[in-house]
Amino acid sequence: DSGVTQTPKHLITATGQRVTLRCSPRSGDLSVYWYQQSLDQGLQFLIQYYNGEERAKGNILERFSAQQFPDLHSELNLSSLELGDSALYFCASSIGTSGRGHTQYFGPGTRLTVL
Amino acid sequence: AQKVTQAQTEISVVEKEDVTLDCVYETRDTTYYLFWYKQPPSGELVFLIRRNSFDEQNEISGRYSWNFQKSTSSFNFTITASQVVDSAVYFCALSEAVDYGQNFVFGPGTRLSVLP
Repeated sequence: DSGVTQTPKHLITATGQRVTLRCSPRSGDLSVYWYQQSLDQGLQFLIQYYNGEERAKGNILERFSAQQFPDLHSELNLSSLELGDSALYFCASSIGTSGRGHTQYFGPGTRLTVL
Repeated sequence: AQKVTQAQTEISVVEKEDVTLDCVYETRDTTYYLFWYKQPPSGELVFLIRRNSFDEQNEISGRYSWNFQKSTSSFNFTITASQVVDSAVYFCALSEAVDYGQNFVFGPGTRLSVLP
């Protein structure tokens, strides 16, 4: 158990809908990262927050947004969902912010299925 | 841009065999960090090891060992006396600085099947 929690575990929805994925980092970690894992794209970095502020952006679509709250939990919002958004979404946390080399500890993931 | 290659898509071995998973990376940075993660069938990503570019010592942890060679930009992972529980997808990752934060660039993964 990494100490990172994600809810829900599974989510099934329809095209055009909007969903929210939730993540709580490990105790003491200030950074939260979101990743998307799909069969064709592999593991792709979406976005990083540190102590409530956006720090890095990867291949995140404009239909997707995220935020980190004062209690450090984070939410990833996915809107106008398409079939291709079906994937496993991971949240990870680490203690640091900028620079490299901080180990990221991953949550169990949320499996999103868009029908 | 940084890149991680894991040329072996799938490997099958029989229990108790040794197996090496290859990882080759590309980076222009002089300081960088490499990681290995395991994704068992249950789906979670489990951290195995972190290595910085200044430390070229090989590392051994139980049946696991890692061989870091800067000269060939490789960070290979060996499992000795493999067990069925080692069956998983293994990912190699390279840490890169992005904007004001960091990101992991993951390789495509190697699926290891250990047969009884």
